[in-house]
Amino acid sequence: KAGVTQTPRYLIKTRGQQVTLSCSPISGHRSVSWYQQTPGQGLQFLFEYFSETQRNKGNFPGRFSGRQFSNSRSEMNVSTLELGDSALYLCASSLAAGLEQYFGPGTRLTVT
Amino acid sequence: AQKITQTQPGMFVQEKEAVTLDCTYDTSDQSYGLFWYKQPSSGEMIFLIYQGSYDEQNATEGRYSLNFQKARKSANLVISASQLGDSAMYFCAMTYRVSSGSARQLTFGSGTQLTVLP
Repeated sequence: KAGVTQTPRYLIKTRGQQVTLSCSPISGHRSVSWYQQTPGQGLQFLFEYFSETQRNKGNFPGRFSGRQFSNSRSEMNVSTLELGDSALYLCASSLAAGLEQYFGPGTRLTVT
Repeated sequence: AQKITQTQPGMFVQEKEAVTLDCTYDTSDQSYGLFWYKQPSSGEMIFLIYQGSYDEQNATEGRYSLNFQKARKSANLVISASQLGDSAMYFCAMTYRVSSGSARQLTFGSGTQLTVLP
């Protein structure tokens, strides 16, 4: 069974631009969560989607948004990029809430 | 508030020896899950082991075992017979119910960098 895939793997953007990251979960997994990882803040929860509905959102500004499609694939969007948005963005999928989450390789975003 | 604490920023262990990585948690939920993940330098988070709050026996997965002490709110990871490939960052994590809904959130500790010495 294929694992969680994320595209792109690396991205360099300029302040003020916007970016869209994509995540394809493991087949059959309907829950997709997103995390931001930085050296200073560690791993922080962004949001979770289940059956195209956002069920939970972390403490991030409205510039961070996401969505999930009917095939469970998910995208997250960051608008008006700031230098502090430079991070590793990890996507994880699970069969249901509370079960083990399987992570993708991440997208490393650099904002200059 | 739900919180995971890992007090060991870095650990060293000799190859083939066992090592224990500490994790304590704080939650008011009765139903929660505890997880350990490994993150090599490549960045990908690898699921290692899971322990449910109602599980009476400690979870084991190959060389990994979780020493679950509910009363102490600790969930330490034990790696037996360490290998050079075990060198990585290890994260303890917990899922808990978000408000009264069915959503559960995964919260992570700050991690422990394990280095296995030859």
